[in-house]
Amino acid sequence: DVMMTQSPLSLPVTLGQAASISCRSFQSLVHSDGNTYLNWFQQRPGQSPRRLIYKVSERDSGVPDRFSGSGSGTDFTLKISRVEAEDVGVYYCMQGTHWPLTFGQGTKVEI
Amino acid sequence: EVQLVESGGGLVQPGGSLRLSCAASGFAFNTYAMNWVRQAPGKGLEWISYIRSGGDYTHYTDSVKGRLTISRDNAKNSLYLQMNSLRAEDTAVYYCTSGGGGIWGQGTRVTVSS
Repeated sequence: DVMMTQSPLSLPVTLGQAASISCRSFQSLVHSDGNTYLNWFQQRPGQSPRRLIYKVSERDSGVPDRFSGSGSGTDFTLKISRVEAEDVGVYYCMQGTHWPLTFGQGTKVEI
Repeated sequence: EVQLVESGGGLVQPGGSLRLSCAASGFAFNTYAMNWVRQAPGKGLEWISYIRSGGDYTHYTDSVKGRLTISRDNAKNSLYLQMNSLRAEDTAVYYCTSGGGGIWGQGTRVTVSS
């Protein structure tokens, strides 16, 4: 299985400041079709997960542009440019390149 | 409105069975691959099963192979998870999601306990 390692696991943030979460895989996530299937999800307290970013850097519809994804190969990053109160929750990376699909452990973002 | 609604969860004894359902609406269900993802109490997300849009290909994580079966009925816009030989470690909220994770249901809780 492709292990996904996130850091940090807990991220205290200040409203209006930037925040960054790292996600590393133990194998390249470049698929044979040339795409890199690395997604980011947000799970607010008591809610279902919501996808924010797909294929490393593509932002889902309705996701604020303060969220951005970057990276390649085995190293990926989710950045929040200016944290807002509604951004509190747990963030997961997930790889969709190799079976079985695997998630990172999650990063808890709290004010 | 794009929506996935799970049902069928509940309390079941170890070794028992449950069938989860997921009703899709607001999008072309028959063109989407689908997954089941679960979340044990206080834990992270775990992908457990995938089915291609036509239902002709499935994949499972090792811990559920031979016990859980994913299926779909495109005429009914529905996804299913037949769960047999349930264990305490299967206790979780079960979510159905679209293939790439762009659409999620609200989840249904399964508790395996005597």
